[in-house]
Amino acid sequence: GAVVSQHPSRVICKSGTSVKIECRSLDFQATTMFWYRQFPKKSLMLMATSNEGSKATYEQGVEKDKFLINHASLTLSTLTVTSAHPEDSSFYICSARDRGQGWVSTDTQYFGPGTRLTVL
Amino acid sequence: GENVEQHPSTLSVQEGDSAVIKCTYSDSASNYFPWYKQELGKGPQLIIDIRSNVGEKKDQRIAVTLNKTAKHFSLHITETQPEDSAVYFCAARGLGSTLGRLYFGRGTQLTVWP
Repeated sequence: GAVVSQHPSRVICKSGTSVKIECRSLDFQATTMFWYRQFPKKSLMLMATSNEGSKATYEQGVEKDKFLINHASLTLSTLTVTSAHPEDSSFYICSARDRGQGWVSTDTQYFGPGTRLTVL
Repeated sequence: GENVEQHPSTLSVQEGDSAVIKCTYSDSASNYFPWYKQELGKGPQLIIDIRSNVGEKKDQRIAVTLNKTAKHFSLHITETQPEDSAVYFCAARGLGSTLGRLYFGRGTQLTVWP
């Protein structure tokens, strides 16, 4: 399957600082990427949908000024957690939509390995 | 929006036995149903998917079945091995989801005992 990378895999920061997480599709172009947050032993909670060249669409209850998303190219989306606080500590995961090529629609979503954010 | 229910939440089987995880969905327009395996501390990995134009798909020890009338789909793992232990998520995507958003079940913690 296709490969999606995330960087960094782990980050520890002080309260009040900002943290940027990168999500890259390595072998396909992704016009759409998704950002999720996952709490321990819970399902994936969609935070926002990122489209290349346009503003992200945020889910209800997600502060867009706190979680800044930039999808600057067809292979890169970034999530910036601004003024992070301990309650922002979580596992953040991105996914990228591979729409495939040609007349055969594969349209599959691949996930990155996740980023563990700890805010002290 | 779509609502996906997944059962059971935990499943324990002996090595070599089969495991079945079931999901139901609410939107009859949903047409794509992937299954993901997530190991501890890692991102979900796509293991198999099925589209609404087929009723069953198999890949070695893993199979997925889809019943569009009843709006449910299931994951079947045969000859389970300890390395199959993980959390499994089902998901559904509807025709109306132009951006490809997936709706996930709550997950099933599968434990395979040696």
